[in-house]
Amino acid sequence: EAGVTQFPSHSVIEKGQTVTLRCDPISGHDNLYWYRRVMGKEIKFLLHFVKESKQDESGMPNNRFLAERTGGTYSTLKVQPAELEDSGVYFCASSPYRVGAYEQYFGPGTRLTVT
Amino acid sequence: QKEVEQDPGPLSVPEGAIVSLNCTYSNSAFQYFMWYRQYSRKGPELLMYTYSSGNKEDGRFTAQVDKSSKYISLFIRDSQPSDSATYLCAMSRNSGNTPLVFGKGTRLSVIA
Repeated sequence: EAGVTQFPSHSVIEKGQTVTLRCDPISGHDNLYWYRRVMGKEIKFLLHFVKESKQDESGMPNNRFLAERTGGTYSTLKVQPAELEDSGVYFCASSPYRVGAYEQYFGPGTRLTVT
Repeated sequence: QKEVEQDPGPLSVPEGAIVSLNCTYSNSAFQYFMWYRQYSRKGPELLMYTYSSGNKEDGRFTAQVDKSSKYISLFIRDSQPSDSATYLCAMSRNSGNTPLVFGKGTRLSVIA
């Protein structure tokens, strides 16, 4: 079974540009989470999808971030325009939607560098 | 005050040593406690999971939760160089379908 995949693995962009990160969850997992780790800080929650619906977006830092999950499969996270403080590692995680499905399966992350 | 506090280390121990990793938390609503292991350039991987207070053992790993003190621990016995990684504690209010709250992670090196 394929794990969670993320693309690209690394992206370097200039301040003011746009970047789109993609996450492919494990097939059949209705929960999809985005997290971010800024250097020196803990991994922080950004957004939670259940299928194609946004369940919780309380962690999104501002309206420069837009997440979508069309058809309840893969998800994209767009940052527009990117700022220096957006640099970090963006993780995606997925899990089945059911009580007791506590394990979240993480992708390898996308390392975003904004210069 | 951060919800979860974890000493980032780094922690360096000789092979065979017993390792103790710890986190404290402030939110009494947390009921589910996890330890994730993360190797360099990889995503976090679940190592141990505990519900409420108590101990759980899995091979060389033991997880402890003390809800009265808001303190959780992970012990690694007979540590191996392959245990070298960053260990992250994570917590949630519910079992499943809920975002996790992480500590900063402790970077561990086990020296052969």
